[in-house]
Amino acid sequence: GQQVKQSSPSLTVQEGGISILNCDYENDMFDYFAWYKKYPDNSPTLLISVRSNVDKREDGRLTVFLNKSGKHFSLHITASQPEDTAVYLCAAGENQGGSAKLIFGEGTKLTVSS
Amino acid sequence: EAAVTQSPRSKVAVTGGKVTLSCHQTNNHDYMYWYRQDTGHGLRLIHYSYVADSTEKGDIPDGYKASRPSQENFSLILELASLSQTAVYFCASSDPGANTGQLYFGEGSKLTVL
Repeated sequence: GQQVKQSSPSLTVQEGGISILNCDYENDMFDYFAWYKKYPDNSPTLLISVRSNVDKREDGRLTVFLNKSGKHFSLHITASQPEDTAVYLCAAGENQGGSAKLIFGEGTKLTVSS
Repeated sequence: EAAVTQSPRSKVAVTGGKVTLSCHQTNNHDYMYWYRQDTGHGLRLIHYSYVADSTEKGDIPDGYKASRPSQENFSLILELASLSQTAVYFCASSDPGANTGQLYFGEGSKLTVL
């Protein structure tokens, strides 16, 4: 089964609004959680990541919320801009000794309309 | 300049033929990975490697072999290409010493099997 799942394949948000992207996972052993951004015909790039010892991390307009009991994490993008339009991939894994054997979700296509 | 480069960037192969996808990194990273991307599946891990001359099976290794002859190079080999292996393939590297879990991806190789 899908160990990491993004239930929304697409999301449209008005410019200036808050984009909320969600991700669910199954494995209790996962202790590393990340969001990657991917433009069409480009490679994924890391946006933000958190470890299981925190439940929130902010970086500029980005905030990751981690709910370990619910096996759920989310990415909030405030003041969404047209250049935020992209596919967002969540990922989770056991960060063993620095290894990043990540399991990715299916991706959510975010469209920010002006 | 790109630190993870893949070749070829695009290839058309015939069913039953042999395909080799190559990846070269100049990040001086120990860990390297091969993922495939399919619509609706996100990124799925095929093979990975922690050190030269050693490879590990990922989540979907069937039909693929991997080779890591040096720290910098990691190849994905399809001995008998099949229609179901049509996909975009991404190579990535990571540095366990940084303990960030971040993956650095190549530009992708689009494989079409006819």
